Amino acid sequence: EPEVTQTPSHQVTQMGQEVILRCVPISNHLYFYWYRQILGQKVEFLVSFYNNEISEKSEIFDDQFSVERPDGSNFTLKIRSTKLEDSAMYFCASSLSLRGKAKNIQYFGAGTRLSVL
Amino acid sequence: AQTVTQSQPEMSVQEAETVTLSCTYDTSENNYYLFWYKQPPSRQMILVIRQEAYKQQNATENRFSVNFQKAAKSFSLKISDSQLGDTAMYFCAFMKAPAYSGAGSYQLTFGKGTKLSVIP
Repeated sequence: EPEVTQTPSHQVTQMGQEVILRCVPISNHLYFYWYRQILGQKVEFLVSFYNNEISEKSEIFDDQFSVERPDGSNFTLKIRSTKLEDSAMYFCASSLSLRGKAKNIQYFGAGTRLSVL
Repeated sequence: AQTVTQSQPEMSVQEAETVTLSCTYDTSENNYYLFWYKQPPSRQMILVIRQEAYKQQNATENRFSVNFQKAAKSFSLKISDSQLGDTAMYFCAFMKAPAYSGAGSYQLTFGKGTKLSVIP
């Protein structure tokens, strides 16, 4: 069964460094998302991406964050200058098509644990 | 803004028994979707069940069913005949229905989760 793949599973970085988290969504999906979960807290929406542009973003998604779909398969989240409070589990998700019931079912990756030291 | 509340941080159930996880939400929207996701220790969140707010009939998927009370803004998950593989974090989530296809996004608003342990 197709699944969303995220790499790496764990990323350790120094404060102020740039990190890129990578995701390979399910191949025929059109909507892509990033969420994060700080330890002990809720899973929070960061950004959604459709048709090669951001369709919605939360207050958390400030200028330090960016997303890109550099080719037909990868979807990346870049944090330009990491802060201690960026330490969290980051989840990528994708969903299917514009039409039909399945469009709003999001399939999640296993997550990347980001540790900022 | 929408909020989702799961008031039970942890629960346990004996194998083969039935357990109900509670979820309440707050919204001014009339059209929306509700979800239960399961996150086993391997971390990948898996959709358990989905409910469309305009449908009065409660959704059912095998051993999983929901009790959707729209007026009370309540969306509980019942797991029947609990199995060891049901041990996981369970997240309730809300999604506002877009005004039209392609509008906005389908972002999910999650509750804090309930950690369910199935005891042999």
